[in-house]
Amino acid sequence: LAKTTQPISMDSYEGQEVNITCSHNNIATNDYITWYQQFPSQGPRFIIQGYKTKVTNEVASLFIPADRKSSTLSLPRVSLSDTAVYYCLVGENNAGNMLTFGGGTRLMVKP
Amino acid sequence: EPEVTQTPSHQVTQMGQEVILRCVPISNHLYFYWYRQILGQKVEFLVSFYNNEISEKSEIFDDQFSVERPDGSNFTLKIRSTKLEDSAMYFCASKPRLTGVASNQPQHFGDGTRLSIL
Repeated sequence: LAKTTQPISMDSYEGQEVNITCSHNNIATNDYITWYQQFPSQGPRFIIQGYKTKVTNEVASLFIPADRKSSTLSLPRVSLSDTAVYYCLVGENNAGNMLTFGGGTRLMVKP
Repeated sequence: EPEVTQTPSHQVTQMGQEVILRCVPISNHLYFYWYRQILGQKVEFLVSFYNNEISEKSEIFDDQFSVERPDGSNFTLKIRSTKLEDSAMYFCASKPRLTGVASNQPQHFGDGTRLSIL
């Protein structure tokens, strides 16, 4: 499983765009990049997943450069309710594969 | 949107007692998982389950742990003789069957059961 590195914490203000970058230098050919969000006392919630280039959904965008050794989760115009821990996970998306969570990035959105 | 549901939300148990944590995965999902998160620590994988058998398990998942899918909807985690260090949030997750070339479905998590061992 590819090891990931992301900032331990980030601060932002309401209305700003937040970009959280994750490094995964030893990503394998079959690996996908997946981001989860976790609020206190709740389970991780899937945000977005990608393999290459750019993926966008109603919540976020995921930018993946050509070498796939890093990825950036972009949250447009954050609000206070986006305060959470964000996890970057890299691995094959096969049937029984377990997810390996790192420490994540604790995002604090301030008014 | 379909959800993974877990009961109870909070379980308090005396050390040495058996505890069963219950999960109802999303109805068309076929792969099931248990994770735990000790307070302030990372989410840790315990076990994955498919086709009525364990697919993979971690070192944490020792002989004190077992999983079962007793019927078509429930997926349970049993801890036979609880220890203080079993106190944690326990999360159930499920995933649909992978089909086709773009079979990259994510795991969906419940909101967990907080297990407190006294």
